[in-house]
Amino acid sequence: KAGVTQTPRYLIKTRGQQVTLSCSPISGHRSVSWYQQTPGQGLQFLFEYFSETQRNKGNFPGRFSGRQFSNSRSEMNVSTLELGDSALYLCASSPLFSKGTEAFFGQGTRLTVV
Amino acid sequence: AQSVTQLGSHVSVSEGALVLLRCNYSSSVPPYLFWYVQYPNQGLQLLLKYTSAATLVKGINGFEAEFKKSETSFHLTKPSAHMSDAAEYFCAVSGEVEGKLIFGQGTELSVKP
Repeated sequence: KAGVTQTPRYLIKTRGQQVTLSCSPISGHRSVSWYQQTPGQGLQFLFEYFSETQRNKGNFPGRFSGRQFSNSRSEMNVSTLELGDSALYLCASSPLFSKGTEAFFGQGTRLTVV
Repeated sequence: AQSVTQLGSHVSVSEGALVLLRCNYSSSVPPYLFWYVQYPNQGLQLLLKYTSAATLVKGINGFEAEFKKSETSFHLTKPSAHMSDAAEYFCAVSGEVEGKLIFGQGTELSVKP
């Protein structure tokens, strides 16, 4: 079974631009969550989608948004990029939307904002 | 609110020595606890998880962790370190909110030959 696939693996963007990251979950998984990883803040929860609906959201500005499609694939968008948005963005999928279900992570998208 | 504290941002051991990575959690509800490993330029791989079935949890690659409620701890151990164990390890907790993992700051494990 294929794992979680994130595209692209690497991105370089300029301040003020917007970016869209894509995540394909493991087949059969309906829950997709996104995390931002930086050296200073560590791993921080961005949001989670289940059945095309955002169920939870972390403490990030409205420039960060996402969506989930009927095939469970998910995208996240960051508008008006800032230097501080440079990070590794990780997507994780889970078979269920419940407490205690393990999350399976993709390899991440490394975003560099210059 | 739930939180995780990992003691020691960097741990160094010799090959063949015991590995002990410390994790303490805070939770107002019975927690679900996880250990993940991250190799350079990779995502996170699940090592093991605790879901109240047993306090001693065995994971992949010879790792195990013991849940101690009285100490609010979930330390990760491996009897004999291997060079391939060098990576960053993250402890995480969930349970208050579906689908949301709260991670510790991570511990980087170095293994000396």
